[in-house]
Amino acid sequence: GAGVSQSPSNKVTEKGKDVELRCDPISGHTALYWYRQSLGQGLEFLIYFQGNSAPDKSGLPSDRFSAERTGGSVSTLTIQRTQQEDSAVYLCASSFGTSGSYEQFFGPGTRLTVL
Amino acid sequence: GQNIDQPTEMTATEGAIVQINCTYQTSGFNGLFWYQQHAGEAPTFLSYNVLDGLEEKGRFSSFLSRSKGYSYLLLKELQMKDSASYLCAVMDSNYQLIWGAGTKLIIKP
Repeated sequence: GAGVSQSPSNKVTEKGKDVELRCDPISGHTALYWYRQSLGQGLEFLIYFQGNSAPDKSGLPSDRFSAERTGGSVSTLTIQRTQQEDSAVYLCASSFGTSGSYEQFFGPGTRLTVL
Repeated sequence: GQNIDQPTEMTATEGAIVQINCTYQTSGFNGLFWYQQHAGEAPTFLSYNVLDGLEEKGRFSSFLSRSKGYSYLLLKELQMKDSASYLCAVMDSNYQLIWGAGTKLIIKP
């Protein structure tokens, strides 16, 4: 596809369950970002992948959160033992990550609701 | 610490002009972005400034003063479809985007 895609678009889960969120970046983009956005709030940075470098995990709120990027393309964000405060929209973005091309293109997001 | 400040909400009239300000304090500077986000949708790119001055793109213009840590987004000939949140973000020395909380712009007929 031409843009960043994310799945699922909506996820409702029970407290304590694990969830996996998927992101397919734009082909050729080496940088991939995960953000979280609560209702009416700004974007909260979670994790950043750039090429084959070690990811920047400085934004992950707890050790229940993890992410991987296989083959430098698709990324999965995993939340273990979900809590109600994890409810938010999770946005993925990708970019070329090279000088002069830092514009981030966003996917439609996954709305996570933890009951 | 790193900080991006922008007004929480602004109201303007259809056909008018509105200026949304953004001030920042970050660890290094590699450019400033403005994004538009309609309710329930993902942010979309509007502009990127890395040098001082004004960048014009149709009805939208963005200004940057690095010495003052200040930017503004200027929207002219406002249309109802411009009702959205406008997010200011600064790329720091680690090439990470630091995001403001966004300015909700309400356009009235």
